[in-house]
Amino acid sequence: RKEVEQDPGPFNVPEGATVAFNCTYSNSASQSFFWYRQDCRKEPKLLMSVYSSGNEDGRFTAQLNRASQYISLLIRDSKLSDSATYLCVVNTNAGKSTFGDGTTLTVKP
Amino acid sequence: SQTIHQWPATLVQPVGSPLSLECTVEGTSNPNLYWYRQAAGRGLQLLFYSVGIGQISSEVPQNLSASRPQDRQFILSSKKLLLSDSGFYLCAWSVIQGVYGYTFGSGTRLTVV
Repeated sequence: RKEVEQDPGPFNVPEGATVAFNCTYSNSASQSFFWYRQDCRKEPKLLMSVYSSGNEDGRFTAQLNRASQYISLLIRDSKLSDSATYLCVVNTNAGKSTFGDGTTLTVKP
Repeated sequence: SQTIHQWPATLVQPVGSPLSLECTVEGTSNPNLYWYRQAAGRGLQLLFYSVGIGQISSEVPQNLSASRPQDRQFILSSKKLLLSDSGFYLCAWSVIQGVYGYTFGSGTRLTVV
């Protein structure tokens, strides 16, 4: 079993739709969590950190469920420009980071 | 503000040839530096990380090596490339071992032929 698992998708949604991705992790000692966005053939860019209390940044909401060991990313009112691959990253308290393989989102007109 | 530079953007090299990729960071001191590799459609695999000049930790045994000759310079090298070394190489920096996330360079797409 992988340490961090994501549904690769692709998720194909129309503009304006709400879409959610999950990312499960196996190490219960994981301490910090992030979502990155990666455009085709580009470097990943930090989208948002994921806090225990959940956090929101505009149309994006990230949540952490420690009991079930997963994080989620919700995108509301999807835009064409949201099309990308979304990577989750899980850090242990020893500073080790594990990247998921990513979930691909395509938003269509 | 902090910036990270990585070059070249694209590289095509024959099997058995040497490799040198360079990464520099500006606007911060004593950053943690990382080399990652990404295979097509996959997540990032950590190759090397460094917490200071001359301090290199290797995560995966491979045909590559890394060096940090200066505080804000990180170099990835190989003496003889293999076909399996092809991939997207990303340099990154962070503070405190990625606790606040990573900032990546623009990457080098290496194709070994």
